[in-house]
Amino acid sequence: EEQLLESGGGLLQPGGSLRLSCAASGFTFSSHVMRWVRQAPGKGLECISGISVNGDSTNYADSVKGRFTISRDNSKNTLYLQMNSLRAEDTAVYYCAKMTSYAFNIWGQGTMVTVSS
Amino acid sequence: QSALTQPPSASGSPGQSVTISCTGTSSDVGGYNYVSWYQQHPGKAPKLMIYEVSKRPSGVPDRFSGSRSGSTASLAVSGLQAEDEADYYCSSYAASDNFVFGTGTKVTVL
Repeated sequence: EEQLLESGGGLLQPGGSLRLSCAASGFTFSSHVMRWVRQAPGKGLECISGISVNGDSTNYADSVKGRFTISRDNSKNTLYLQMNSLRAEDTAVYYCAKMTSYAFNIWGQGTMVTVSS
Repeated sequence: QSALTQPPSASGSPGQSVTISCTGTSSDVGGYNYVSWYQQHPGKAPKLMIYEVSKRPSGVPDRFSGSRSGSTASLAVSGLQAEDEADYYCSSYAASDNFVFGTGTKVTVL
């Protein structure tokens, strides 16, 4: 069974940093583009970052550009999101997702990030 | 990139049908055959229901169907069941390796 499991969320103050991890299993991780999607409380979905199969190409939403960094370790079947200079508006559930046919076809259960003083 | 426009809510009685629209532009919905739909129950992760405008992943009931006309995509759910009550989001590829989601529609089974 294809699975994704996020970890690393928590409560932190504005300006802080956090690294999220997403462990993949049940599929060939190195063959798939991966993305991070977030959902603020009571709000809709926002695709914030993506990474190519070998990690040499990345992209970011304007809302996180310059503050967040996506990366992957294909030897560990793990996706990462380094989050710096966090703001209150970054408070959300963060999901990792596997891409197939330009669709988010497998999602993790999500990890909550709360930024508050 | 602006969010795709969906109606906030839709409803139907068990056994009836409901259709949700997703309006974008020629730069996203109207420009690529990469529209997808997601079902999200409260407190759960989204689940892929439709991809490439009208294709169903394995395991998704054929009560769910997708279509597109111009820059508006639609998700139709026929034979509504209680478990179909959820939030539904559309998504589209939007060039330069970007994706945009819809504003979301809450479907209520009366």
